[in-house]
Amino acid sequence: QKEVEQNSGPLSVPEGAIASLNCTYSDRVSQSFFWYRQYSGKSPELIMSIYSNGDKEDGRFTAQLNKASQYVSLLIRDSQPSDSATYLCAVREEEIQGAQKLVFGQGTRLTINP
Amino acid sequence: KAGVTQTPRYLIKTRGQQVTLSCSPISGHRSVSWYQQTPGQGLQFLFEYFSETQRNKGNFPGRFSGRQFSNSRSEMNVSTLELGDSALYLCASSIARGQEFFGPGTRLTVL
Repeated sequence: QKEVEQNSGPLSVPEGAIASLNCTYSDRVSQSFFWYRQYSGKSPELIMSIYSNGDKEDGRFTAQLNKASQYVSLLIRDSQPSDSATYLCAVREEEIQGAQKLVFGQGTRLTINP
Repeated sequence: KAGVTQTPRYLIKTRGQQVTLSCSPISGHRSVSWYQQTPGQGLQFLFEYFSETQRNKGNFPGRFSGRQFSNSRSEMNVSTLELGDSALYLCASSIARGQEFFGPGTRLTVL
């Protein structure tokens, strides 16, 4: 069973600081990685995708990927109370004949304190 | 462009009954995946459909089934409901091998 591991938290960060969320995965052949944000009672919302080693920035969010270490992270700069949510790391399993399947971590609950 | 829609949003059933959930993907998206989310197990993959064919299936019993229509709309069915089937059922759509976008989900409660 291919696995995705996240620290469940809760992770508490003061407003304006950098929040750092981490994820490790077991499948060495995985090529596609995603971060979803899920507010309580809502469905997951895609916020970042990353496919190549290195950093990818989008506004206050930066995703980092290290395939050799099987590690992906999400940094949130200038954290706002509205960033308080559960963040889900997802890894796409590469299946034959184009089939796709996301494997999710358990999620990290992030709280931004004003 | 309209997002993924799911109906119904809430459902209450009793053990032994069956239920059908519906999902309409984003226009132009041909891949539809279903996931179950529970507090204990998190988000787990049920199955994926593409062009009316099931391409992938997760580790769920045969009571869970699905189908996709020619307009890419999809349904999933759960027969002989058990208490443990209470969950948020999420549908996600994507272009082929693209990013997956989730609908609002159907919250199923089994009494």
